[in-house]
Amino acid sequence: GNSVTQMEGPVTLSEEAFLTINCTYTATGYPSLFWYVQYPGEGLQLLLKATKADDKGSNKGFEATYRKETTSFHLEKGSVQVSDSAVYFCALSEGGYSSASKIIFGSGTRLSIRP
Amino acid sequence: DAGVTQSPTHLIKTRGQQVTLRCSPKSGHDTVSWYQQALGQGPQFIFQYYEEEERQRGNFPDRFSGHQFPNYSSELNVNALLLGDSALYLCASSLGDREAEQFFGPGTRLTVL
Repeated sequence: GNSVTQMEGPVTLSEEAFLTINCTYTATGYPSLFWYVQYPGEGLQLLLKATKADDKGSNKGFEATYRKETTSFHLEKGSVQVSDSAVYFCALSEGGYSSASKIIFGSGTRLSIRP
Repeated sequence: DAGVTQSPTHLIKTRGQQVTLRCSPKSGHDTVSWYQQALGQGPQFIFQYYEEEERQRGNFPDRFSGHQFPNYSSELNVNALLLGDSALYLCASSLGDREAEQFFGPGTRLTVL
C-alpha cells in the first residue's frame, strides 16, 4: 500500500542554520504531496503542497520539490528561526489533490531550534 | 470565520466504555475526515463523511463508527474502548468533490485507563 517515510528526529539546529528533512514515498498512481506542521498546542497546518512531478511547493521560506524519479519530497529552509520549532509531517494524498482523498502521513520529525 | 472546532478538548474513559467525539467543520465545508494520532506518530485516517454518508474508510475495526448531520457536523463513536485507543483524534474538513485543502481542528485527547 501507499506509505511515507521521513527522517527520524529529533533534529536540533542553531538559529540561521540550513534545514533539510528527508521524505520518501511509495505510491501507485499520481499522489499529491504535502508538508504539514504541528506547533506546540496547535492543530495541524498545511505548510506547502505539490500536486504533480517537478512542482515546487513553497511557503514561509520553506521549499520542497516533487521528485517522481527518486520518489522524494524533501523539506528545506535556508535559515531557520526559533519560531520554526515544531513537528513536521510529510504526507501524500491518494488519488491526487482532492478533498475526497485520504491523507497518509509519515511519523513526523520534531525540530528544535536553539537561539 | 471559525475554523474547525472539536469537543471535548480532553476526555478520560476506562476500558470497555464508549465515547463520542464531535466536530464542526469550517464554514462552507461539507466533507469531514477523522484521523487518529497516537503519541509520537503521524495521524492515521479513520474515515470520511460526505453528504451524510461514509465515503471511505481506513483500516480501523467496526468499533469505530461515525455520523454526519445535515449541518455537516460530525461525530466519531468508539465502542468497547481499549487502552490502545488512547490518542489525539483529529477532525479535518474540506469542500467536497473539488481540489481543496483539508483543514484540521485542534483535536480531542482521549485517555483510556
